[in-house]
Amino acid sequence: KQEVTQIPAALSVPEGENLVLNCSFTDSAIYNLQWFRQDPGKGLTSLLLIQSSQREQTSGRLNASLDKSSGRSTLYIAASQPGDSATYLCAVTGANSKLTFGKGITLSVRP
Amino acid sequence: EAGVAQSPRYKIIEKRQSVAFWCNPISGHATLYWYQQILGQGPKLLIQFQNNGVVDDSQLPKDRFSAERLKGVDSTLKIQPAKLEDSAVYLCASSLVRGPHYLFFGPGTRLTVL
Repeated sequence: KQEVTQIPAALSVPEGENLVLNCSFTDSAIYNLQWFRQDPGKGLTSLLLIQSSQREQTSGRLNASLDKSSGRSTLYIAASQPGDSATYLCAVTGANSKLTFGKGITLSVRP
Repeated sequence: EAGVAQSPRYKIIEKRQSVAFWCNPISGHATLYWYQQILGQGPKLLIQFQNNGVVDDSQLPKDRFSAERLKGVDSTLKIQPAKLEDSAVYLCASSLVRGPHYLFFGPGTRLTVL
C-alpha cells in the first residue's frame, strides 16, 4: 500500500526566503507525482506534475524534483512571498491510476 | 472555462441525519472523483466514475455512503445515516480522461456532524 509522508506538518519563514518542502513515498512504481496548493476553505489547485520519467518541472518561482528510486520529491519555492501562505500537498499516482495524498505542509510566510 | 461546481458549500447536521452533496464537473470531463478530506489529513478517494459507471469504490463505506452519476454528467454523494466521524470536507474533482492526468478540484463541501 502506497504511503506518502510530508514532514514537517507546518513551516513558518520570513518573506524573501528560499525554501524546500519535502515529500517521500514508499512505492516507487508511480506514474507521476503532483504538488497541489490548498488555500483555507478552497479546493486543491495543481501546481506541478512530474511524470515518472522526468527529474524536475519548473513553473515561475516553483521547482519540483523527483527521485523515483529513493522515493523522494522536493518543492522549491524561490523568494517566498506572503501570498505563498497555504497548505502544500504532494500526491502520487500509482499503477492503478489512484492518487495517494500526503497530509500536507502548512506554510506561513511572514511579511 | 467554468470550474468544478459543488453545493452546498457548508452543511451542519446532527448524527443519524441524512445529507446529500452535488457536483457538476467541467464540461466534457469523463472522469469524476469524490474525495473525503478530514481535518489535518490528505484527501482520500471515496469513489471514481468513468462516464456513468463506477471505476473504483473500494474505500466507500457502502453501508452509509452512496453515489450516483446519472447521464454521466453531474453527481450526487449521499450519507445516510451520518456519524460524527463523517465530519470532513468532501471534494469533487474531474479530469478529461481516466488515468494519471491533471485533476481539477471543486471548492468542496464542509460537513459538520454534531
